[in-house]
Order: sequence, then C-alpha cells, then structure tokens
Amino acid sequence: AQKVTQAQTEISVVEKEDVTLDCVYETRDTTYYLFWYKQPPSGELVFLIRRNSFDEQNEISGRYSWNFQKSTSSFNFTITASQVVDSAVYFCALSDDMDTGRRALTFGSGTRLQVQP
Amino acid sequence: EAGVAQSPRYKIIEKRQSVAFWCNPISGHATLYWYQQILGQGPKLLIQFQNNGVVDDSQLPKDRFSAERLKGVDSTLKIQPAKLEDSAVYLCASSDSFRNSPLHFGNGTRLTVT
Repeated sequence: AQKVTQAQTEISVVEKEDVTLDCVYETRDTTYYLFWYKQPPSGELVFLIRRNSFDEQNEISGRYSWNFQKSTSSFNFTITASQVVDSAVYFCALSDDMDTGRRALTFGSGTRLQVQP
Repeated sequence: EAGVAQSPRYKIIEKRQSVAFWCNPISGHATLYWYQQILGQGPKLLIQFQNNGVVDDSQLPKDRFSAERLKGVDSTLKIQPAKLEDSAVYLCASSDSFRNSPLHFGNGTRLTVT
C-alpha cells in the first residue's frame, strides 16, 4: 500500500530564510506520480507541482524548487527567500495504481510553515 | 475558468442528524472526488467518480455515508446519522480524464457535529 510521510509537523522561519520541507513516500509500483499542494488559511488546496517517477530532474519555479530522489524515495520542497505569504500547510501526495483507473491521491499529514516578518 | 464550487461553507449539526454537501466540478472534468480532512491531518479519499460511475469507494463508511453523481456533473455527499467523529472539512475535487492530471479542489465544507 502507498504511504506518504512528512515528518516535520511545523516549521517556523524568519522572512528571507530558505526552508526545506521533507517528503518520503512508499509504493510498490514502478510508475507513480508525486505532488505538492499548498493549503493557505482559506482552506483551498492549491496545486504546486507534479512529478512522474521516470523524471528525476530537479525543478525550479521562481523561489520554489523540488528535489526528487528515487534512491531515497524522497521528494523534498525548498522555498528560497521565504515570504510571509508562504505561510500555509504544505502537503506532499502520491498517486499510483496506474492500471486500475484509481487516480486518487494519498496525502501526507502536512507541514505547517510559519514565516515571521 | 470557474473553480470547483462547494456548498454550504459551514454546517453545524447535532449527532444523529443528517447533512448533505453539494459539489459542482470544473466544467468538462469527468473525474470527481470527495475527501475528508480531519483537523491536523491530510485529506483522506472517501469516494472517486468517473462520470457517474464509482471508481473507488473503499474508504467510504457506507453504513452512514452515501454519495451520488447522477448526471455525471454535480455530486452530493450525505451523512446519516452523523457522529461526533465526522467533524471535519469535506473537500470536493475534480480532474480531467488525462492520466494523473492535477486535482483541483474546492474550498470545502467545514462540518461540526455537537
């Protein structure tokens, strides 16, 4: 069965600091997708990135970057020069079961990031 | 494009009462999901529809929860009778038919059972 672990429950940083959110996953499938979502206080889950299991290239989007390492089953998320608006709960999620049509996401428990001014 | 719409935004009921939540997905999205998010936890899938058929309802407590998507568009999730442990945010999400397209979530309905 699939599982996503986000060991960091809460992180607090001061604005402009860099911060890395950890995500470790478990799956028996060779083909799977990994996601990161942001949940601000308003409650809506906002999609940030999707990565498939065959693409281990790191990705950068503005101040956000992602490090995918299959060898350690990790998909970590770094925010560079954090801002107060980055304060939210961040969820890592996994989608496998490629052949069944079941494409629902399995979420981790989330990491609450607080960026202090 | 308009996002996923959910109503009501908040609901407070007493235990053993019934409640219903409504979701309208993004236009053209064939797949619809209901998730339950208990405070401090990640969302947990309750049910997945593909058009008006159920793909996965293995984690839906069928003795008290039911969901339907009769015309393959809007969906309703019902709880009857509610228990205290049902207090949570109920999130609806939709996606298109392409494999592993991102899920787009609504703002959710916050249910409090007293």
